Amino acid sequence: GQNIDQPTEMTATEGAIVQINCTYQTSGFNGLFWYQQHAGEAPTFLSYNVLDGLEEKGRFSSFLSRSKGYSYLLLKELQMKDSASYLCAVLDSNYQLIWGAGTKLIIKP
Amino acid sequence: IAGITQAPTSQILAAGRRMTLRCTQDMRHNAMYWYRQDLGLGLRLIHYSNTAGTTGKGEVPDGYSVSRANTDDFPLTLASAVPSQTSVYFCASSDSINTEAFFGQGTRLTVV
Repeated sequence: GQNIDQPTEMTATEGAIVQINCTYQTSGFNGLFWYQQHAGEAPTFLSYNVLDGLEEKGRFSSFLSRSKGYSYLLLKELQMKDSASYLCAVLDSNYQLIWGAGTKLIIKP
Repeated sequence: IAGITQAPTSQILAAGRRMTLRCTQDMRHNAMYWYRQDLGLGLRLIHYSNTAGTTGKGEVPDGYSVSRANTDDFPLTLASAVPSQTSVYFCASSDSINTEAFFGQGTRLTVV
């Protein structure tokens, strides 16, 4: 079966750096997305990786290793507004998005 | 304001009733999707449409139907609601199947 694994919950301190990992086992691979979802709101797009390596976008970076079936989202200079769930999703061989259950990130002052 | 709109925002529905959740986008996106989101589970695809006039089944299609008569609208119908369909439903659209998706604000549905 297809599977996306992420930690259920993480806690970090304001101003620090946190890395949220995502491992996947899917039938084929056509890209990996990260979305942010604040409580009670809709998911919003953060990043898309289809090639190996690091993509940097401001305070957020996303890394992909296709050979290891692994990605991470790196958040720097954490702010209280970064408290949210972070969703990892993989586009499989049929171009269907397979979603992880999300990682709830709690930021403490 | 360009975007994707869902209606209603929330609904309490008696079991056995028929219900249509509405979704409209004005971004001229080709692809549209319906997801349900349940606590502890990832978003699960119910139905999708890659272009107007075509639809496909996702991971959890049973009990739901969709239509895509034009580019903008993608309604989701529950023919006879059951309590297990209590969930938050998100409609989304994307320009193509491998580009970022834009989500509506969600519909919180409770079937009693």
